[in-house]
Amino acid sequence: NAGVTQTPKFQVLKTGQSMTLQCAQDMNHNSMYWYRQDPGMGLRLIYYSASEGTTDKGEVPNGYNVSRLNKREFSLRLESAAPSQTSVYFCASSEAMGSAANTGELFFGEGSRLTVL
Amino acid sequence: RKEVEQDPGPFNVPEGATVAFNCTYSNSASQSFFWYRQDCRKEPKLLMSVYSSGNEDGRFTAQLNRASQYISLLIRDSKLSDSATYLCVVNAGNYGQNFVFGPGTRLSVLP
Repeated sequence: NAGVTQTPKFQVLKTGQSMTLQCAQDMNHNSMYWYRQDPGMGLRLIYYSASEGTTDKGEVPNGYNVSRLNKREFSLRLESAAPSQTSVYFCASSEAMGSAANTGELFFGEGSRLTVL
Repeated sequence: RKEVEQDPGPFNVPEGATVAFNCTYSNSASQSFFWYRQDCRKEPKLLMSVYSSGNEDGRFTAQLNRASQYISLLIRDSKLSDSATYLCVVNAGNYGQNFVFGPGTRLSVLP
């Protein structure tokens, strides 16, 4: 069982370039998330998708867009990368928000390390 | 004040030692609490949930004090494999978007 798979694992961009981080989960989870992790700070939520067909902003959405392509896939797009977006990005999934099956556990992908020069 | 605060460490302890991590949270409406473990350059993974009555899982004990808005994690008989960063996570509701992560406390268990 692969769990949550993210691609690419590493990427170097120049300022102004665009790219898309891909995420797929095979646990039949309804809810998916994108976080960024910076040194000395906790993971911060960029966007989330409570269920297929819905997306909402998290704490730090500026400069990002997302697409919930289907139940399995949730992508994160940087339209015009900036050095401040240098970070490690984690995709996560969970049982449906508010459902009895949701124990609160988030399942994370291995992370995507992005450097913007 | 940050929503979830932790001592960043690092905590350097010898094998076999007992070590305790503390975490404070500012949102009194928080409803569920967790400790996650993150190995170097890896993704976070759930270590244990924290219940009001306190709970234990082998060498790990978690405590919650709602009145003081304080969570703790105690690790007994530390192993080399316990070396990691421990993340305190607080959820203000049943919705995943309300998860707030602390910055983490780094533990190094030394031989």
